[in-house]
This record gives sequence, structure tokens and C-alpha cells, in this order.
Amino acid sequence: EAQVTQNPRYLITVTGKKLTVTCSQNMNHEYMSWYRQDPGLGLRQIYYSMNVEVTDKGDVPEGYKVSRKEKRNFPLILESPSPNQTSLYFCASSSWTPNEKLFFGSGTQLSVL
Amino acid sequence: ILNVEQSPQSLHVQEGDSTNFTCSFPSSNFYALHWYRWETAKSPEALFVMTLNGDEKKKGRISATLNTKEGYSYLYIKGSQPEDSATYLCASYAGNNRKLIWGLGTSLAVNP
Repeated sequence: EAQVTQNPRYLITVTGKKLTVTCSQNMNHEYMSWYRQDPGLGLRQIYYSMNVEVTDKGDVPEGYKVSRKEKRNFPLILESPSPNQTSLYFCASSSWTPNEKLFFGSGTQLSVL
Repeated sequence: ILNVEQSPQSLHVQEGDSTNFTCSFPSSNFYALHWYRWETAKSPEALFVMTLNGDEKKKGRISATLNTKEGYSYLYIKGSQPEDSATYLCASYAGNNRKLIWGLGTSLAVNP
């Protein structure tokens, strides 16, 4: 089954404790992206990657890191989480054309205390 | 228009009613317009991707139209059902940097 697998679904952590949210897709997609969703602000792009070893900042990259060492995986790393990073996070992937739909992971609800 | 704007922000209808909402987007350097349905506690799922001016797409009771010259798209739901309750998001691709610009969504509640 074609899917984007994102883990964990829920995560509660404390300020400053490094964490990684994993994202993996099995559709051989070139393009992968991370979003955060906050009430009243819509989906905001954090980072995106157009292929292996190619990553670019989105609209709100501060406080986040990503890597794309393999085509299927695109982990999101919070080196020193802060409470303002409490949010709902989505990973998404698609083929490298604007008219191809995005496939979303199941989301990660992160709470930073 | 520099951003993607959706209206109305929320909508309550009765089961069986037909409804529609609007997505306005920048018309310059347009590539594609996406519609997604986002149900509570789930992830967004694609409904339509539209690229050509005058495009009309249909999926069951849901259809969408596209006007790239004036920068708007309409989403129609015929005979709304409670299971149509969701947030409907649109997003526009513009330029060459693979950047999707998202609207804030229209939240639809269908009362049985």
C-alpha cells in the first residue's frame, strides 16, 4: 500500500531535550516536505527536499533540522525543543511535478513542556 | 492577491443541502491548484489537482472549477452528508520553487 509513515503520533517532551520525528514513504517520491499546523495559521512549511541530499528552508525553519540521506526517509530534528514548537506536524511527499497530489503522513502531535 | 484565501471560514448546513466555497489565489505564474479534505483526527487527503483554465473535476458528489485568469476556484458539494464534515483546504503552486501556498481552509459541518 502506498503510504507515508510518520512516527510517533503523539509526543510529550521537555524543553531542550533533542527529538526526532521520522517520516518514510514507499512511493519513490522525489519531493518530501514538513509542515506544522497551528490554530488560525494554516499549514506552514518548515523544510522541503526535492531529492536526496537536497533540502531547502520553508517558511518557518528556525529551530528545526532535516536530512535526506535516502530517498524514502526525511526525518525532522528538533535539537533543543521549546514550548513554541508545540504543534501538529505533518510530513508529505509527492512526485516532482506541481500537478501531482501530496500524500500526507498521519501527523505528530508534539507538546513541549 | 499574494496569498491564498478561502471563504467562508466555516459553514454549517443541513443534510441534503448543496453548498460551495471559494479559493482565491495569485493568478500570475500559476502552475496548479490543489484541493484537500481534512477530517478531524486524520491527515489531509487530495481531492483534486487542477491546472488548466476552465478545468472542471468531479468525484462523486464533489466537484471543482478553476479560473486561472481571475485566480479563483470553486468547490461544490451536492446533497451534503454528515460524512462530508471536514475542513477543505486549497493550495496554489506558483513559480519554480515547488512552493505550495496554502489557504486557511473552510470548515464544513453537516447536521443530520
